[in-house]
Amino acid sequence: GESVGLHLPTLSVQEGDNSIINCAYSNSASDYFIWYKQESGKGPQFIIDIRSNMDKRQGQRVTVLLNKTVKHLSLQIAATQPGDSAVYFCAHSGGYNKLIFGAGTRLAVHP
Amino acid sequence: SAVISQKPSRDICQRGTSLTIQCQVDSQVTMMFWYRQQPGQSLTLIATANQGSEATYESGFVIDKFPISRPNLTFSTLTVSNMSPEDSSIYLCSVTPYWRSNTGELFFGEGSRLTVL
Repeated sequence: GESVGLHLPTLSVQEGDNSIINCAYSNSASDYFIWYKQESGKGPQFIIDIRSNMDKRQGQRVTVLLNKTVKHLSLQIAATQPGDSAVYFCAHSGGYNKLIFGAGTRLAVHP
Repeated sequence: SAVISQKPSRDICQRGTSLTIQCQVDSQVTMMFWYRQQPGQSLTLIATANQGSEATYESGFVIDKFPISRPNLTFSTLTVSNMSPEDSSIYLCSVTPYWRSNTGELFFGEGSRLTVL
């Protein structure tokens, strides 16, 4: 597959551990935040989103935390599995339904 | 979810040539966007494809280099003109379906991987 995430920071975790991926954003006016997962050779896939009027939102095995004060977003993955290995991008609304993407983090899950 | 088909999925092109990438969606969508993802990098928005009118380009991208068409609600093309090796990237079509228009969620195609020699 393509070398997605080759030059991105890497988070290495053991299978079964919890993972926390962090993201900082710059636009204090953004009202919508979203996490995407991108596997090698594929387009980004939606994981979870959160609006600016919330601090926390939970999905299946994933939780997104939003700290508007410091403009920080995090994705927590519980009981990380080998299938979670991918590059993770945060994105925030940039007006006119545009999404602005963060730098990305490669998650490597080891057995 | 919306099914987005991009053609070609990959291509190897010669310097100085142009290539048109097609994006077809299986349902009507409100917004269509084109992103570029350079090797090992994040996604950068090229432009918003507007139905029946000129695309809206982001800073650093111009119509002469990346002409875009969107003749209807489900189809768009992106042309990469006069290619150079620096244009080697994954080009991704993304859409907001009508049923998600109250959010900002984007669905992505698998991308078109261009290598320019």
